Amino acid sequence: DGGITQSPKYLFRKEGQNVTLSCEQNLNHDAMYWYRQDPGQGLRLIYYSQIVNDFQKGDIAEGYSVSREKKESFPLTVTSAQKNPTAFYLCASSIIPRRGEKLFFGSGTQLSVL
Amino acid sequence: AQSVTQPDIHITVSEGASLELRCNYSYGATPYLFWYVQSPGQGLQLLLKYFSGDTLVQGIKGFEAEFKRSQSSFNLRKPSVHWSDAAEYFCAVGLSGGGADGLTFGKGTHLIIQP
Repeated sequence: DGGITQSPKYLFRKEGQNVTLSCEQNLNHDAMYWYRQDPGQGLRLIYYSQIVNDFQKGDIAEGYSVSREKKESFPLTVTSAQKNPTAFYLCASSIIPRRGEKLFFGSGTQLSVL
Repeated sequence: AQSVTQPDIHITVSEGASLELRCNYSYGATPYLFWYVQSPGQGLQLLLKYFSGDTLVQGIKGFEAEFKRSQSSFNLRKPSVHWSDAAEYFCAVGLSGGGADGLTFGKGTHLIIQP
């Protein structure tokens, strides 16, 4: 079955540590996105990528980094500069990089700080 | 910038009763409108979307939504809720035009179903 796979499901970060969240899709979608979800805050866009080797900052990119070396993969690194990383992280994709396209979501990664 | 408002943080409905979840948006032109549902610890699933045409949109799981331009609203409805409908519901807006900066989401409405 086609879909978006996020791993791990749960992740713990120590102070000063960088951690990487994996997102893989086999839908052959061009665009991929990372959202952060905090309770009562909805979803906020961290980074997005319209094509391989290209990505743009979203609304809350500080303390995060991404790469898009392959079409199917869009990993997110939460750096030590992100002082409040505890949140639920959602990866999404869309068929084409066009505004208004519906998003397909992975099942998320819960990141917590030890 | 566009914005989405879901005025109700929590809604409690009895099983079998009707449901309406409210969504208002702020955008100069007609946006693309979506409703998503999220079960605890899971990703979001698309319920329905509005791009143009008929203002009453049918979705999955018996949901429908009506676009009202004059009220800048896109409320979600279901005539009879089931216990399995308990979840978090998000309204989202997508702009027209070039670029691919995703959707703007409301803060969500948590639906509780009473037996």
